[in-house]
Amino acid sequence: AQSVAQPEDQVNVAEGNPLTVKCTYSVSGNPYLFWYVQYPNRGLQFLLKYITGDNLVKGSYGFEAEFNKSQTSFHLKKPSALVSDSALYFCAARPIYNQGGKLIFGQGTELSVKP
Amino acid sequence: EAGVTQFPSHSVIEKGQTVTLRCDPISGHDNLYWYRRVMGKEIKFLLHFVKESKQDESGMPNNRFLAERTGGTYSTLKVQPAELEDSGVYFCASSQDWGPGQVFMNTEAFFGQGTRLTVV
Repeated sequence: AQSVAQPEDQVNVAEGNPLTVKCTYSVSGNPYLFWYVQYPNRGLQFLLKYITGDNLVKGSYGFEAEFNKSQTSFHLKKPSALVSDSALYFCAARPIYNQGGKLIFGQGTELSVKP
Repeated sequence: EAGVTQFPSHSVIEKGQTVTLRCDPISGHDNLYWYRRVMGKEIKFLLHFVKESKQDESGMPNNRFLAERTGGTYSTLKVQPAELEDSGVYFCASSQDWGPGQVFMNTEAFFGQGTRLTVV
């Protein structure tokens, strides 16, 4: 079965420090990869995506993600965390063959940034 | 431009009752998806509409769930009768692109704020 894994339920970071939220995938072919963020009482908000090309993609709010094909990973990163980055982060993969565009999500990682 | 809108934002119902969730996608988006997140778990795909047609309903849990998209605009998801395990957050998403072979102009789906359903 195809799946996306986020191995950490929670990540704690001090403000100003770099952050990494991990994601690995087991999806056939070369899936499109996404990160979404959910702030409290809000919907899922698109952060960034990898389709093809440069392995380092930049997204909203200073976030970036690094695609590693050999490790089937797509870790989310930010050089300097802000308290306002505290939220629930979801990694997702979109199989590109005959799948109609549906997303396969990880279970989510709660990011907590302390002052 | 208005985003994806879902109604209600919260619903608490008793086991055995019926609940209908509504999703208004972004205007002009042909693709509409329903997803569900049960507490602490991953967000799971339920079904996909292309305009008014069900493209993929492989994620629907059972026949107590009925989704419709009359006229290819808004969609409803009815749960009848509701069971305790149906509790969770139901997300709707819409997008404009679809399918291999097309030029992908917009490859991300836009999500609504979700409906939190609690069955007691």
